[in-house]
Amino acid sequence: AQSVAQPEDQVNVAEGNPLTVKCTYSVSGNPYLFWYVQYPNRGLQFLLKYITGDNLVKGSYGFEAEFNKSQTSFHLKKPSALVSDSALYFCAVRDMGKGTGYALNFGKGTSLLVTP
Amino acid sequence: ETGVTQTPRHLVMGMTNKKSLKCEQHLGHNAMYWYKQSAKKPLELMFVYNFKEQTENNSVPSRFSPECPNSSHLFLHLHTLQPEDSALYLCASSQGAGNEKLFFGSGTQLSVL
Repeated sequence: AQSVAQPEDQVNVAEGNPLTVKCTYSVSGNPYLFWYVQYPNRGLQFLLKYITGDNLVKGSYGFEAEFNKSQTSFHLKKPSALVSDSALYFCAVRDMGKGTGYALNFGKGTSLLVTP
Repeated sequence: ETGVTQTPRHLVMGMTNKKSLKCEQHLGHNAMYWYKQSAKKPLELMFVYNFKEQTENNSVPSRFSPECPNSSHLFLHLHTLQPEDSALYLCASSQGAGNEKLFFGSGTQLSVL
């Protein structure tokens, strides 16, 4: 079985400060890992993904995420938060092990609130 | 916009009603998905279609019935729903079922009374 855990329901950060949104995963094979963002009244939008290669992945809107195999984590980061980054963030995983199907499994989401 | 359009945006129905949700994608994708989003719960995958064929049914109750007449259109037929089925239903598409960059619609907010 494949799953992701987002331990924080909400993350609060002041504008200009660095932000981190946490995600850990559990898979039987190699993971494909993703971050998506959901703005109010909208569907989810792709931010970035890790498939293989460099553990630090850069994505849209200045976000990046670091794959850590030993800690089974894929935390989302941004050096300087903007008020417009306030949204719901979802981590997702696909297990590349045999017979695990195609679709992504998503976490429950973390609400990011950036205050001026 | 993402190229994935869902209608209606909001739907209120009684437990004895029959209604349908519609999804259309203009991206030339071959795979389409239904997800259920409830507050503070993981996004739940419901169904996956690849080249119009259903490839995954994630143990969804039979009161939800999907239909994929072609690669551009996906429906979710609803009947005799329960109040706990109230949620945001999201449609998504991707180039192929193994391509994880999903494009989501804005969803249908469903309330079952």
